[in-house]
Amino acid sequence: DAGVTQSPTHLIKTRGQQVTLRCSPKSGHDTVSWYQQALGQGPQFIFQYYEEEERQRGNFPDRFSGHQFPNYSSELNVNALLLGDSALYLCASTWTADYGYTFGSGTRLTVV
Amino acid sequence: DQQVKQNSPSLSVQEGRISILNCDYTNSMFDYFLWYKKYPAEGPTFLISISSIKDKNEDGRFTVFLNKSAKHLSLHIVPSQPGDSAVYFCAASAVLGDMRFGAGTRLTVKP
Repeated sequence: DAGVTQSPTHLIKTRGQQVTLRCSPKSGHDTVSWYQQALGQGPQFIFQYYEEEERQRGNFPDRFSGHQFPNYSSELNVNALLLGDSALYLCASTWTADYGYTFGSGTRLTVV
Repeated sequence: DQQVKQNSPSLSVQEGRISILNCDYTNSMFDYFLWYKKYPAEGPTFLISISSIKDKNEDGRFTVFLNKSAKHLSLHIVPSQPGDSAVYFCAASAVLGDMRFGAGTRLTVKP
């Protein structure tokens, strides 16, 4: 049983560009959350998707947007990339009534 | 807003001894608390959790204690093993809510 899978694993983008990160949740999970982890910090909550809608959002600008598909997979889009967006982006999934999240290995985004 | 705080960025203990990792939170709406363990190049892995209706939860060598009045929780690892060396994150969640993480504590267990 595959856990949470994220793609790509590494990505290098130029400042001002746009990026799309992808996540497939663990089988049986219907809720997907995205986190940004900067170096030396804990994961920071970006937003959560359930039933193809954004259910909650953390303190991130509108440049960060997402989508959830009918198969529960999700995308994170970041527009107008800044150097400060360089981080590890983690996707986590759970079943809506459960607290336990399963994390993917993350996508390492470097903005140059 | 730093709702979950881990004030010790690192901890070093001898193999076989007890490791105690601490975590404080500010949001009284949190009702579920989790500890995650993270190795380099991997996502966080769930370790142990505790509901706010309990004050202790054990799982093998790992025990989490919750003091709601002090808004404090701790993770005890006994006995510590070199394979426990990793970064440990404390996380807190409200019902159907997102998780808020602390900054992490890097545990090093020396043989």
